[in-house]
Amino acid sequence: QKEVEQNSGPLSVPEGAIASLNCTYSDRGSQSFFWYRQYSGKSPELIMFIYSNGDKEDGRFTAQLNKASQYVSLLIRDSQPSDSATYLCAVNILYNFNKFYFGSGTKLNVKP
Amino acid sequence: EPEVTQTPSHQVTQMGQEVILRCVPISNHLYFYWYRQILGQKVEFLVSFYNNEISEKSEIFDDQFSVERPDGSNFTLKIRSTKLEDSAMYFCASSGGVRFGYTFGSGTRLTVV
Repeated sequence: QKEVEQNSGPLSVPEGAIASLNCTYSDRGSQSFFWYRQYSGKSPELIMFIYSNGDKEDGRFTAQLNKASQYVSLLIRDSQPSDSATYLCAVNILYNFNKFYFGSGTKLNVKP
Repeated sequence: EPEVTQTPSHQVTQMGQEVILRCVPISNHLYFYWYRQILGQKVEFLVSFYNNEISEKSEIFDDQFSVERPDGSNFTLKIRSTKLEDSAMYFCASSGGVRFGYTFGSGTRLTVV
């Protein structure tokens, strides 16, 4: 069973703070890791992907991957109320390029 | 920016009826997918499609479901005899290479009554 686990939240942070979202996965064959943002009633929107250990930065977003510990995280700096959404972690398995396994998502609330 | 287009945005159907959900993937993408999300639950994989055939399907994707790419641009999901538990948001997605993630369409909300 390929599991991707996320804390469902809600995670509440004040505006301007750093929001830290975490995801763990069970399959060591996992190759590519994605963070999607989903507003209520809308489709998932790709924020970032990462496939090498370490950090990857894109604007206010930083993805961190630690394959030894099997976790991937997303940091959002200078959080804005517009960042309030559910953040989905998705994992692609090396030997199965056909699909992603999604976590259940973490709901983030950024309070003005 | 290229988009994945889905129609209709909302479909209400009676139990036992057939529905067809339509998608136009991004034109140079090669991999196509259907996912669904029951309200408040995870995004669940249904089926992937590559080179004009199904490459993988989940347990959810039983004989009531089928997919087609009838004309080289549209990608459809058919549910032959809908059940109440088919009520969900159905997302089409396409990818030019799975390492780069999917682009999702805006979804079709299917309500079976």
